[in-house]
Amino acid sequence: DTEVTQTPKHLVMGMTNKKSLKCEQHMGHRAMYWYKQKAKKPPELMFVYSYEKLSINESVPSRFSPECPNSSLLNLHLHALQPEDSALYLCASSQEFGVEKLFFGSGTQLSVL
Amino acid sequence: AQKVTQAQTEISVVEKEDVTLDCVYETRDTTYYLFWYKQPPSGELVFLIRRNSFDEQNEISGRYSWNFQKSTSSFNFTITASQVVDSAVYFCALSEEGGSQGNLIFGKGTKLSVKP
Repeated sequence: DTEVTQTPKHLVMGMTNKKSLKCEQHMGHRAMYWYKQKAKKPPELMFVYSYEKLSINESVPSRFSPECPNSSLLNLHLHALQPEDSALYLCASSQEFGVEKLFFGSGTQLSVL
Repeated sequence: AQKVTQAQTEISVVEKEDVTLDCVYETRDTTYYLFWYKQPPSGELVFLIRRNSFDEQNEISGRYSWNFQKSTSSFNFTITASQVVDSAVYFCALSEEGGSQGNLIFGKGTKLSVKP
């Protein structure tokens, strides 16, 4: 199984809602990532977990809250988002944290109204 | 400072044409890694290749080939005999071993459209 699975594929939420994005991999990878991608732009790194510990937080606003319950799962909790947070949110994993190749999920397309 | 430049925003070719996607990078590190990823309309980025800074050998994988030249800080990607399924956005990316610890610096991407 060489897949990174993200749910939901699409999400529409209001600015007062609380929602969560989920990501799962069963490749035994120890590093997991959240990226944000605006239309026609490259992905931007948000968070990195290595061995279930947060290793990198790229100065992301606190309305985004990551969680890594175990080595296979990665969540991104969303609260009080702004319309400018609308984007494609991509999860990725790699064998280890470093310069490994990344395996990406197909993303969650988020719209904040 | 690290930087990746993909000067071609969009390229359109007809099936079976060869096409080269350009990538120029900037880094002060002597040890670094270069990547190409493909992003089809379905959204997920698909890893194509990783090269380290000490390996300047060109690589060929089927219809894909990569030309790494440190002298010009370029890592160009050529698709031979393009097919409609090659239509996607292609990102070149840089990662420095010492500094950014796995944080990929992406170029802005080149959108390739292959028409039948």
